[in-house]
Amino acid sequence: NAGVTQTPKFQVLKTGQSMTLQCAQDMNHEYMSWYRQDPGMGLRLIHYSVGAGITDQGEVPNGYNVSRSTTEDFPLRLLSAAPSQTSVYFCASSLLTREQETQYFGPGTRLLVL
Amino acid sequence: SQQGEEDPQALSIQEGENATMNCSYKTSINNLQWYRQNSGRGLVHLILIRSNEREKHSGRLRVTLDTSKKSSSLLITASRAADTASYFCATDGFFGAQKLVFGQGTRLTINP
Repeated sequence: NAGVTQTPKFQVLKTGQSMTLQCAQDMNHEYMSWYRQDPGMGLRLIHYSVGAGITDQGEVPNGYNVSRSTTEDFPLRLLSAAPSQTSVYFCASSLLTREQETQYFGPGTRLLVL
Repeated sequence: SQQGEEDPQALSIQEGENATMNCSYKTSINNLQWYRQNSGRGLVHLILIRSNEREKHSGRLRVTLDTSKKSSSLLITASRAADTASYFCATDGFFGAQKLVFGQGTRLTINP
């Protein structure tokens, strides 16, 4: 199993550009999420999904869109990039139960917005 | 807003010593997890402790949880150079079971 994969590993954008960060998992996990990590900070939840066709906002959703058309994929879209979105983005997946489950993280995408 | 706060923010010790990191949180939780992040990499799950547990062990790791004080500690015994990493606690309850809220982390450096 590849686990959770993310592409690209690094991206530079100009202010106002759009892009999609890709995330895929091969563990048949229902729950997937996106976090951002700013320097010296912990991770903050952007959006999450509890299954195909179901998404919801996390702590810092503004400026980001998500969709979940399949169990495996959970892309994150930046419609109009801003310098404040410079960060490292992590995708995670887990089983969806009533209990807290171990989250499996991807290697991250480092984004720089100029 | 961050749910968990780690203390200290940075810790430097000699190889073979024990390392203790603390985490405090604000709201009631069902579970608390600890994760490790090596520089420039994703997070790796270390251990999960449920709110009805007080202590849990996994290899050289020992985690305690005091729900009355809303705090947890992570002890790494007999530290190794490979333990150099950032350690984060993560709690649920603020947004829901799977929606973890992370602290700012403790940066641990093991000196040879």
